[in-house]
Amino acid sequence: DTGVSQDPRHKITKRGQNVTFRCDPISEHNRLYWYRQTLGQGPEFLTYFQNEAQLEKSRLLSDRFSAERPKGSFSTLEIQRTEQGDSAMYLCASSSGTSGTDEQFFGPGTRLTVL
Amino acid sequence: GENVEQHPSTLSVQEGDSAVIKCTYSDSASNYFPWYKQELGKRPQLIIDIRSNVGEKKDQRIAVTLNKTAKHFSLHITETQPEDSAVYFCAATDSWGKFQFGAGTQVVVTP
Repeated sequence: DTGVSQDPRHKITKRGQNVTFRCDPISEHNRLYWYRQTLGQGPEFLTYFQNEAQLEKSRLLSDRFSAERPKGSFSTLEIQRTEQGDSAMYLCASSSGTSGTDEQFFGPGTRLTVL
Repeated sequence: GENVEQHPSTLSVQEGDSAVIKCTYSDSASNYFPWYKQELGKRPQLIIDIRSNVGEKKDQRIAVTLNKTAKHFSLHITETQPEDSAVYFCAATDSWGKFQFGAGTQVVVTP
């Protein structure tokens, strides 16, 4: 499968625990995006990378969230001290080019449930 | 920053009828407007997109129109079929080239 992959697909955790998600983009895609999606809403931008550089992080994102893309390939999203409000689907997407005006290919998402 | 509003939130149509979904955006610098379809439990997938130098684009039963002056764009689905039932999201790029998505439209096509 040459599409975007995410791991794990589901994560259940207790409030206060840390969780880490992984995204493997389509090979050689320069841009990688993280979104959060809750029921009945569109994907909400969290952060994005161009190669290994993190270009922007949503102002709505608390300091408990951090993301990395150390070698410009896969990326990880970590949430520290999880809260019930963090429960959502976390989507990763990648695109080619550097202008942002290219199709974003989405992964299947990681569904997070915080108890 | 960019703000995208999408209407309606739900749309029920009879099979064979047309469906229209409208979006407005706020950032005049936006220059790329994709539409994604998301079926239940699946990832969003691009169905059509339009760039700011084009007013209309068509792909079989799907078309998108863009009015840059009014800052709105629309998705048109003709001859709807049950497999068109899904949630549709519009998006617009901001000046940094990242997407701002609308809240989505649940389309239900009844046979």
